[in-house]
Amino acid sequence: EAGVAQSPRYKIIEKRQSVAFWCNPISGHATLYWYQQILGQGPKLLIQFQNNGVVDDSQLPKDRFSAERLKGVDSTLKIQPAKLEDSAVYLCASSLRQATLGEQFFGPGTRLTVL
Amino acid sequence: EDKVVQSPLSLVVHEGDTVTLNCSYEVTNFRSLLWYKQEKKAPTFLFMLTSSGIEKKSGRLSSILDKKELSSILNITATQTGDSAIYLCAVEAFRGGSNYKLTFGKGTLLTVNP
Repeated sequence: EAGVAQSPRYKIIEKRQSVAFWCNPISGHATLYWYQQILGQGPKLLIQFQNNGVVDDSQLPKDRFSAERLKGVDSTLKIQPAKLEDSAVYLCASSLRQATLGEQFFGPGTRLTVL
Repeated sequence: EDKVVQSPLSLVVHEGDTVTLNCSYEVTNFRSLLWYKQEKKAPTFLFMLTSSGIEKKSGRLSSILDKKELSSILNITATQTGDSAIYLCAVEAFRGGSNYKLTFGKGTLLTVNP
């Protein structure tokens, strides 16, 4: 079974530039999550989708971050404009359904460096 | 706001040692506590503990949930260099409807030296 795919794996940009990350969850997984993991901290949930609807985006900085999952499969996360403090690993995860008692499967992540 | 605190933040041991990692939590509507191992980037699932399953064991790893003390420990016996990783504790809480939220601790960086 293929895992969660993410691209790119690494991205370096300058502050105020825009960047987009892509995630393809495990086939058949209805729930998709985007996490931000700053160095030395645990992952922080940014947004959670159930199919193509948003379940939770309470910690998403909506003035600069946006995410979509138009067809209920793959998803993109965008930052526009980026700030220095956005430097982090962005993890995408998926689970079969919402109430799976925490069995989320994580992708390899995208390491973003903002200069 | 839900809170998950792990200790120690980092630990260095020699191969063969036994280690105990700690996780305490303050959440509303607790559902489960999970342990993940993070090498390089992607966290991989280790254990899930709930009210109906407060102790889990897999090989040299074991974990116990203490619902009274709102805490959990992860034990690793006879450590190997391959156990070097960040160990993340996360707590799943019910948010209403059929929604659940996972809150992670900062993790414990374990380094096992040969």
